Amino acid sequence: KNQVEQSPQSLIILEGKNCTLQCNYTVSPFSNLRWYKQDTGRGPVSLTIMTFSENTKSNGRYTATLDADTKQSSLHITASQLSDSASYICVVSAKPDGGSQGNLIFGKGTKLSVKP
Amino acid sequence: EAQVTQNPRYLITVTGKKLTVTCSQNMNHEYMSWYRQDPGLGLRQIYYSMNVEVTDKGDVPEGYKVSRKEKRNFPLILESPSPNQTSLYFCASRKQGAGNTIYFGEGSWLTVV
Repeated sequence: KNQVEQSPQSLIILEGKNCTLQCNYTVSPFSNLRWYKQDTGRGPVSLTIMTFSENTKSNGRYTATLDADTKQSSLHITASQLSDSASYICVVSAKPDGGSQGNLIFGKGTKLSVKP
Repeated sequence: EAQVTQNPRYLITVTGKKLTVTCSQNMNHEYMSWYRQDPGLGLRQIYYSMNVEVTDKGDVPEGYKVSRKEKRNFPLILESPSPNQTSLYFCASRKQGAGNTIYFGEGSWLTVV
């Protein structure tokens, strides 16, 4: 069964510190992996998209890595800010047989709280 | 500005009273979809549409209907809402092709009493 598991469920860090969020998936065949940031009560906003051949991608202070062999991804946040407080959602796209759109499998997210 | 616009943003309604949540995108995207988000369950897909007049069920379609008569609009219809449809709903769109960015609307908070 295609699944996306994220850890930890929640995380509290102090402003200025770094942190790493994990995403493990059992999706096959794999198409791409995305990380989204969702502020409370708002729509998710795209941070990164990575395909099979990409093992790292950055977006400002956010760096995502992908290990397609172990089916793991991480999102590293550098020098955290109060505005980084949000849920971070890992989304993996599977290639359906004969299709081009891909099914999206969502993780349940990691809730990050950055404290002053 | 690229936008996915949902209305209403907040709604309290009663069981059985039909309602429609509208969704419109200004990016000429082929693919549109609806999700619901509940505590502890993450985002779950209700319906999706790959183009005009083409719709298909997602993971949790029961109790919902959709239509795609125009490319920019993808309304979600609850014919007879029930309390278990109380949730936060998101509309999303993207260009055709699995690797393209998905743009989400701001969400619609729906409470059915």
